[in-house]
Amino acid sequence: GENVEQHPSTLSVQEGDSAVIKCTYSDSASNYFPWYKQELGKRPQLIIDIRSNVGEKKDQRIAVTLNKTAKHFSLHITETQPEDSAVYFCAASSGAGSYQLTFGKGTKLSVIP
Amino acid sequence: KAGVTQTPRYLIKTRGQQVTLSCSPISGHRSVSWYQQTPGQGLQFLFEYFSETQRNKGNFPGRFSGRQFSNSRSEMNVSTLELGDSALYLCASSLAGSQETQYFGPGTRLLVL
Repeated sequence: GENVEQHPSTLSVQEGDSAVIKCTYSDSASNYFPWYKQELGKRPQLIIDIRSNVGEKKDQRIAVTLNKTAKHFSLHITETQPEDSAVYFCAASSGAGSYQLTFGKGTKLSVIP
Repeated sequence: KAGVTQTPRYLIKTRGQQVTLSCSPISGHRSVSWYQQTPGQGLQFLFEYFSETQRNKGNFPGRFSGRQFSNSRSEMNVSTLELGDSALYLCASSLAGSQETQYFGPGTRLLVL
């Protein structure tokens, strides 16, 4: 089955700096890669996703890049703000026949004012 | 539209007991997935249901089971509870499955004593 590795497990950045979280996946058939943000005590919420026919996607301060050859994808947050502090999860899905979203173990991001 | 709801929100059980958790998806969503979340382990996939059919099951023992009703509401059951079953159980709904945005419920926090 699919295996998703996520690094780092914790990340501290100064407010205004950039943060990068990286994930690798094992199943070359995976074609959908979402990122979820979970604030303390709250439910995970989708912040951005990318499909395998796209190499990069941006949404304001957040961007995701995908390298299918290397089987890794990354989340980039620019101009970090204290409200970006949360746990971020990457995930991968191989679509029809799988019906399963496999998550990484999460990265706790702390933005220091 | 109302979001995903889960009941109960908190449960305390003792070893050997069984428990049933409920999930009501967003109206119109036919896919419901269940995840177990524990500190440091991320979200581990339990199973996914679509139109009352289990389409995939994660690597959990047979003590974990689930079902989905014709109105897409889903229940999961854990029999013969063990201390290690203490976790936050999250359900997520989507229109059709793992290749789409998963909308998570608030979770049920289960404590096994």
